[in-house]
Amino acid sequence: DAGITQSPRHKVTETGTPVTLRCHQTENHRYMYWYRQDPGHGLRLIHYSYGVKDTDKGEVSDGYSVSRSKTEDFLLTLESATSSQTSVYFCAISETGPGELFFGEGSRLTVL
Amino acid sequence: SQQGEEDPQALSIQEGENATMNCSYKTSINNLQWYRQNSGRGLVHLILIRSNEREKHSGRLRVTLDTSKKSSSLLITASRAADTASYFCATVPLGGGSQGNLIFGKGTKLSVKP
Repeated sequence: DAGITQSPRHKVTETGTPVTLRCHQTENHRYMYWYRQDPGHGLRLIHYSYGVKDTDKGEVSDGYSVSRSKTEDFLLTLESATSSQTSVYFCAISETGPGELFFGEGSRLTVL
Repeated sequence: SQQGEEDPQALSIQEGENATMNCSYKTSINNLQWYRQNSGRGLVHLILIRSNEREKHSGRLRVTLDTSKKSSSLLITASRAADTASYFCATVPLGGGSQGNLIFGKGTKLSVKP
C-alpha cells in the first residue's frame, strides 16, 4: 500500500468554524490532490499540487484553500465550514501528472 | 463537470458470472483509468488504458477502449464475492497539461452474491 495518511479520519464540527485536513505521504510523489466524494456526484477535484508551493484549483474549489510547504504534506483548509461541505474527503498522490493515483483512506467531515 | 458516466449504476450477479461495466465520456482523452472502491475505503487503481490502445488485460480484468464512440468497458471474469465494490472510470482529458487531472464518473455499484 502507498504510504498516504489522512488526519483526522473523522471530524464533527459546527458551521462557521475553521477546519484543516492533513494529507501526509512517504512516497515522495510530486503530485497531490484533494477530492470530495458525495452521493450522486462521484469524486470531484477540489485542489491539487504539482510541487512544493505550487497549487491550483479544481472543479469545486470555492470555500477551500490548500497549502504545500513540504513535499510530503498537503493541507486542505475550510476557513469557515458550511453544512454543504459535509462530505468524505480523499487525498491522492501521483508520481506523474496523468498517471495512476494512490488514494488515502478518506476523512469523513460532518458540519452541523 | 462530469466527464465519465458509468452504466449501469448498479449491477447484481452470482459468483462465477462475468460482470461488464461501461463508461462513456465527452471529450478526447489522454488515457482512461478504472478504479475500485470497497465500502468505506479509498479508491484503488485497477488499470490504465492509453488513447492509442484498444484493449488491455490484467488478471481477470479486461478493459476495452473505443475512442470513436468515446466509450470504455470493464469486464470482470469469473466474479467472486470479494469483487463486490463500486467501480469508477476516470479520464484524463487531452490537452489537460502536465498535471493531467483525472475526472471521475459516478461509479457502478457491483454486488456479487455467493
